[in-house]
Amino acid sequence: SQQGEEDPQALSIQEGENATMNCSYKTSINNLQWYRQNSGRGLVHLILIRSNEREKHSGRLRVTLDTSKKSSSLLITASRAADTASYFCATDTFGELIFGTGTRLQVFP
Amino acid sequence: DAGVIQSPRHEVTEMGQEVTLRCKPISGHNSLFWYRQTMMRGLELLIYFNNNVPIDDSGMPEDRFSAKMPNASFSTLKIQPSEPRDSAVYFCASSGRDRGYEQYFGPGTRLTVT
Repeated sequence: SQQGEEDPQALSIQEGENATMNCSYKTSINNLQWYRQNSGRGLVHLILIRSNEREKHSGRLRVTLDTSKKSSSLLITASRAADTASYFCATDTFGELIFGTGTRLQVFP
Repeated sequence: DAGVIQSPRHEVTEMGQEVTLRCKPISGHNSLFWYRQTMMRGLELLIYFNNNVPIDDSGMPEDRFSAKMPNASFSTLKIQPSEPRDSAVYFCASSGRDRGYEQYFGPGTRLTVT
């Protein structure tokens, strides 16, 4: 079963703009992770945020976690055409990693 | 490191045939996962091995599916007999830690059963 629900399902922006994707989940978690999947490829781990953390940065990526609202957001700043991909959140619940439904991001040059 | 290796990358077979998918995890990783991805159901965990031992196979859809990990560097997922509804992309992933931590995915095997 899928715990994470990403919002929006699809997002189209121009190169240079920021992209924000949201993830909501249902049960308590140990950590939350974000993955990227390019078309026809496997998932690539981007960032992990623990349940006791509120914000984490990695390059142009910024992830926030609000455990009281059971939600997380992924911000990609200064987007590039190469950021075009599907982005998934995954929650570690009782040692099991459960993936969400994904957001399809299209960045136009 | 070559990353997680899967073979074949594409498989087309007829209904009723046996299909075997192969995976070589990243050297030193002690956890291995098999996933199935479809448009309708998204990414589903089929089975999880830790130190070559199957820990959780609750995601295996039915007895037609079986998975083995005879050693730390090799795993197979077998479907016998295959059915059209098994058509999907099958991913293998490995992790150097417990399954709640970052996983490294292979390129996937796109299976089409006609």
